[in-house]
Parts: sequence; structure tokens; C-alpha cells
Amino acid sequence: EPEVTQTPSHQVTQMGQEVILRCVPISNHLYFYWYRQILGQKVEFLVSFYNNEISEKSEIFDDQFSVERPDGSNFTLKIRSTKLEDSAMYFCASTTYNNEQFFGPGTRLTVL
Amino acid sequence: DAKTTQPPSMDCAEGRAANLPCNHSTISGNEYVYWYRQIHSQGPQYIIHGLKNNETNEMASLIITEDRKSSTLILPHATLRDTAVYYCIVRAVNNAGNMLTFGGGTRLMVKP
Repeated sequence: EPEVTQTPSHQVTQMGQEVILRCVPISNHLYFYWYRQILGQKVEFLVSFYNNEISEKSEIFDDQFSVERPDGSNFTLKIRSTKLEDSAMYFCASTTYNNEQFFGPGTRLTVL
Repeated sequence: DAKTTQPPSMDCAEGRAANLPCNHSTISGNEYVYWYRQIHSQGPQYIIHGLKNNETNEMASLIITEDRKSSTLILPHATLRDTAVYYCIVRAVNNAGNMLTFGGGTRLMVKP
């Protein structure tokens, strides 16, 4: 069964450093998403991406965040200058037109 | 998207049916009811969705009241692996780019 994959599973970084989280969505999917979940809190939407551009973003997704689909398979989330409060699980998701979103296993980001 | 209300936690005996309620009294005519679950620290997993008719798949059944103001997710024979947080989400289906808005969900504990 096809699945969304994410790398790395755990990323540790120093405050102020740039990080890139990688996702490989399911191959025939067209809509891509990033969500995050701070420990013990709700899953929060960050951004959706379709047709090579951002279709929606939340207030969390400020200028420190960017997304890219550099080739036909990868979908990346970049945080330019990480803050302590960026520590969270980051989930990538994808879907076709049927709206069932498939989530990846997540990347645990720890900012020290 | 309409707001949903779910009990924060429920217990269920292994092998018995788990019935998880959700209130969505402000649901509008073009909004579907979606259920996802999140097993500890994993990515959310799609379970089922419906508009007004009852739905069943290999994982669960979804019962939606005639006025569509509430619904119940039924896991017919709960197992220990069904222990998870279950999220009821209401959203319009016509735009696949729409994000999912997760609330607190119901933490289901299946006990031996």
C-alpha cells in the first residue's frame, strides 16, 4: 500500500539554525500539506500546496517558514532560523481529489 | 468549518463495540463529517467520512443523525491496537486544498 514517507525521523538542531524537513508524498497525489504538533497539544495546520504554489497557510506559517517541491517527488519544509518554540512533531500529508488525507509518520524536531 | 464537540476520554473493553460520539450542531449542507485517529506519536490516520447516509468500511461504521447535528463512530470489535485519540472533523469536501482542523478529540482506551 502506498504511503507518505518523511525524513529524518528525528532532527536535533541549535536555535538559530536552518532545518529542512523532507517528505515524499504518495506518487499520484496533487495536494500536499504540513502540520505540526507540539508535545501534548493539538495537531495544527501550517500550509497547503497545490500546483506548485501555496494554496492556504496558517498564522503559524510566517516568514521563517517556506515550502518547496523541488522535483516530482519531494516536498520540503524549511525553517530558516529555528526557535525553541519550533520544537514539535511535523507531519506531512497528501491527497488526491477525494479529500482523504494520508499522513506521514512525522519528523520530531528538537531545538536546543 | 463547523465546530465539533467530543468527550475528552472514553474506555472500552477489548472485543466490545466502541461508540464514539460527536456533536456538530452548526454543520452546513455542504459539510462532511470526517473521522481520523492518532495512535501515540504517529501521524493521524483517516478512518471514514460521510455526508448524511450511514457509512461502513473495513475499519468502522459512521452513523449520522437525520438532522446531521451529531454522529457516532463505531468500532465494532475494539482491540488494544485501537487505543488512540479519535478526531471528528467537519469540513466542506469540494475543495481538496482545505486543511483539516483538529480539536482535542476523544482519547479511547481499550482495556483487556
